[in-house]
Amino acid sequence: RKEVEQDPGPFNVPEGATVAFNCTYSNSASQSFFWYRQDCRKEPKLLMSVYSSGNEDGRFTAQLNRASQYISLLIRDSKLSDSATYLCVVRGDSSYKLIFGSGTRLLVRP
Amino acid sequence: NAGVTQTPKFRILKIGQSMTLQCTQDMNHNYMYWYRQDPGMGLKLIYYSVGAGITDKGEVPNGYNVSRSTTEDFPLRLELAAPSQTSVYFCASSPRQGAAKNIQYFGAGTRLSVL
Repeated sequence: RKEVEQDPGPFNVPEGATVAFNCTYSNSASQSFFWYRQDCRKEPKLLMSVYSSGNEDGRFTAQLNRASQYISLLIRDSKLSDSATYLCVVRGDSSYKLIFGSGTRLLVRP
Repeated sequence: NAGVTQTPKFRILKIGQSMTLQCTQDMNHNYMYWYRQDPGMGLKLIYYSVGAGITDKGEVPNGYNVSRSTTEDFPLRLELAAPSQTSVYFCASSPRQGAAKNIQYFGAGTRLSVL
């Protein structure tokens, strides 16, 4: 079983739609959780950290469910510029190593 | 504000050749990492370093070597290039403490083809 699993997609949605991605992780001792965004042929960049109580950053909302070991990302009012691959990232046992999911691809169409 | 700088951006190698991928960061971060990303896949950790003079293996270290003589530089060495090493290589760094301690900052990547 992969340590971090994501649906690869692609999710193909119209502009203005709401879309949600889920991610599951296998290590119940994981401490920190993130969503990174990766544009085609570019480096990953931090989108947002995920906090236990859930958190929001503009159109983006992240949730953590420790009991079920999954993380979600909700994007409201999708823009064309949201088209990218979204990587679910979990901090493993050590304080400095991150485990990356394979990513979920989002395509926002006009 | 350079951040993490990787060179070269692209390289084609012949089987058996060697090369060094350079990585430099100017954020005074203690932790540095090398990943590879194959098409449609996630990032796999090759090597990491928690400070100058200290390196350790990640998930896929075979065929690679690293050194960390300074805080700023973390080069990755391929000694005998093989087609299986065709990939995109990303270097990243993160601070040891502070609000951003769990956040990794990435370079733009090096696209390597071994033919």
